[in-house]
Amino acid sequence: AQSVAQPEDQVNVAEGNPLTVKCTYSVSGNPYLFWYVQYPNRGLQFLLKYITGDNLVKGSYGFEAEFNKSQTSFHLKKPSALVSDSALYFCAVRDIYNFNKFYFGSGTKLNVKP
Amino acid sequence: EPEVTQTPSHQVTQMGQEVILRCVPISNHLYFYWYRQILGQKVEFLVSFYNNEISEKSEIFDDQFSVERPDGSNFTLKIRSTKLEDSAMYFCASSESEVLSYEQYFGPGTRLTVT
Repeated sequence: AQSVAQPEDQVNVAEGNPLTVKCTYSVSGNPYLFWYVQYPNRGLQFLLKYITGDNLVKGSYGFEAEFNKSQTSFHLKKPSALVSDSALYFCAVRDIYNFNKFYFGSGTKLNVKP
Repeated sequence: EPEVTQTPSHQVTQMGQEVILRCVPISNHLYFYWYRQILGQKVEFLVSFYNNEISEKSEIFDDQFSVERPDGSNFTLKIRSTKLEDSAMYFCASSESEVLSYEQYFGPGTRLTVT
C-alpha cells in the first residue's frame, strides 16, 4: 500500500528564515511524490513533484523538495520564508497501480511570523 | 490560469436529504475526481471518472454516492441520503492525463454540513 506521513501538525518559522515541512513515504516500487498547498478558502494548489531524475526538485513560489531514497523522505524546503507562505501543506503519493489515486498526508500548517 | 470551480461553497442539509455537489473541471481535462476531507483528517480519494464512466472508486464510495457528467462542462457528485458522517469538505479535481507525470488540479471545495 502507498502512504505518506507528515509528522508535524504545525511548523512555526520567522520571516526570512529557512523552512522545512517534513514528509516521509511508504510505497512498494518507485515513489511518485507531490506537494500541494492550500490557502484559506482555496483548493489544493500544486507546488512540485518528483517522478524521476534529480533528487532536488524545484517548484512554484521558490519552494523545493529533496527526495531521499535511503530515508524515504520528501521534505519541502524554502531558503527564506515569507508571511504569505502561511498555509496548509499536503504531501501526496500517487498510487503506482492506479494512477488515478493520490494518497495524501494529514497536512502541516505553516505559520510564518513577521 | 485555468481553475477548477465548485458550487456551492457551503451546503447545509438535513440528514436523509439528497445533495448534489457541482464542479466545472478545466476545459481540456479528461480525468475527473472527487475527494473528501473530514475536519481534521486526511484528504481521501472517493472516485475517478473518465470517458463517462467510473474508472476507480474507494470503499467510501458506496451505493449512496454517484457521479455524473451531465453535459460537456459539469461534473457532479450526488449523495442520495445524507448521513451525519458525510459532513466534510468535498474537493473536485481534474487532470489532463492519467500519466504519472501529470498532476491533478483541485477546486476550492464544497463544505457539506449535515444536521
